[in-house]
Amino acid sequence: NAGVTQTPKFQVLKTGQSMTLQCAQDMNHEYMSWYRQDPGMGLRLIHYSVGAGITDQGEVPNGYNVSRSTTEDFPLRLLSAAPSQTSVYFCASSYSGESEKLFFGSGTQLSVL
Amino acid sequence: SQQGEEDPQALSIQEGENATMNCSYKTSINNLQWYRQNSGRGLVHLILIRSNEREKHSGRLRVTLDTSKKSSSLLITASRAADTASYFCATDALNTGGFKTIFGAGTRLFVKA
Repeated sequence: NAGVTQTPKFQVLKTGQSMTLQCAQDMNHEYMSWYRQDPGMGLRLIHYSVGAGITDQGEVPNGYNVSRSTTEDFPLRLLSAAPSQTSVYFCASSYSGESEKLFFGSGTQLSVL
Repeated sequence: SQQGEEDPQALSIQEGENATMNCSYKTSINNLQWYRQNSGRGLVHLILIRSNEREKHSGRLRVTLDTSKKSSSLLITASRAADTASYFCATDALNTGGFKTIFGAGTRLFVKA
């Protein structure tokens, strides 16, 4: 099993550009989530999904969209990138989301100029 | 605002000493988890303690949970240089869309050889 795979590992965008961060897991996990990590802020939850077709907002959802058309994939879309979205993004998954440990991807480092 | 807050923010100890990190949270929880992050990497799950448990052990790790004080502690005994990392507590919060896992800002541990 590859676990949780995130692509790309690094990305530089200009303000106003859009892009999609990819996340895929091969563990048949129902629960998937996106976090951003800024220095000194820990991880903050952006969006999460408890199964295909179901998504919900986390702590900091503004400026991001998600969809969950399959169990395996949970892409994160930046509609119009802003410098405040410069961060490291982590995707995580677990079997059910309830009282389960999370498995993390290796992260995407995003810079918005 | 973040659910969990770790204390101290940073901790520097000598190899062989014990390291204690504390976590406080704000609302009722289903369980509490501790994760470790090496620099530039994704988070790795260490231990999960449920709300009806008071103490749990895993190797050199000991976790306590006091739901009346809304606090938890992580003790690493006989620390090693390889324990140098950031440690995060995470709590599950039930939302209308299902459980979501919220992280604290973390404690940076440095173990000197």
